[in-house]
Amino acid sequence: DADVTQTPRNRITKTGKRIMLECSQTKGHDRMYWYRQDPGLGLRLIYYSFDVKDINKGEISDGYSVSRQAQAKFSLSLESAIPNQTALYFCATGDYNEQFFGPGTRLTVL
Amino acid sequence: GNSVTQMEGPVTLSEEAFLTINCTYTATGYPSLFWYVQYPGEGLQLLLKATKADDKGSNKGFEATYRKETTSFHLEKGSVQVSDSAVYFCALSDGSGNTGKLIFGQGTTLQVKP
Repeated sequence: DADVTQTPRNRITKTGKRIMLECSQTKGHDRMYWYRQDPGLGLRLIYYSFDVKDINKGEISDGYSVSRQAQAKFSLSLESAIPNQTALYFCATGDYNEQFFGPGTRLTVL
Repeated sequence: GNSVTQMEGPVTLSEEAFLTINCTYTATGYPSLFWYVQYPGEGLQLLLKATKADDKGSNKGFEATYRKETTSFHLEKGSVQVSDSAVYFCALSDGSGNTGKLIFGQGTTLQVKP
């Protein structure tokens, strides 16, 4: 089984809809991260969490929220999706030595 | 603020050619430097890393040396294979507070032809 899993893998939604992306990990790390990838921009950090009670904004948190339900689970929500949130979203876990990434969720907002 | 700049892609090479992908960075403090690779349809995975100046990271025939004087961490491989076709990301760690946050370059696509 994969160490970091993301659901769904692909999602098409409409402007204004609420959507949740889920992430689970079995690596045992306390830290978890959400990134988005856009062509030509690399990956940018949305939110990160050191543990269940410690959640921090990244460089592009506007329009997003997160929930850390357990050490192993970290979900990302778009409260009211807009087309410029169309991107590839990655969850990761790890520490300053290495991060382990999930396979990504491709989100399209029409 | 901290940032990473990679050479523009795509890079197209023939099999067994020499590869260089340039990466330069701007940072305060003493960050660690990384190369991550993303194969088609997959998430990123760590290729190699270096934690201090003059360190050389190496893995699977790839190597990169942490050059503080030129603020660079160029990725090299002596003989590429078709299976090396992927997107390569240079990244640095946020050296302050040990948060583990990574700052990525924009990625460089490598295509290796038989």
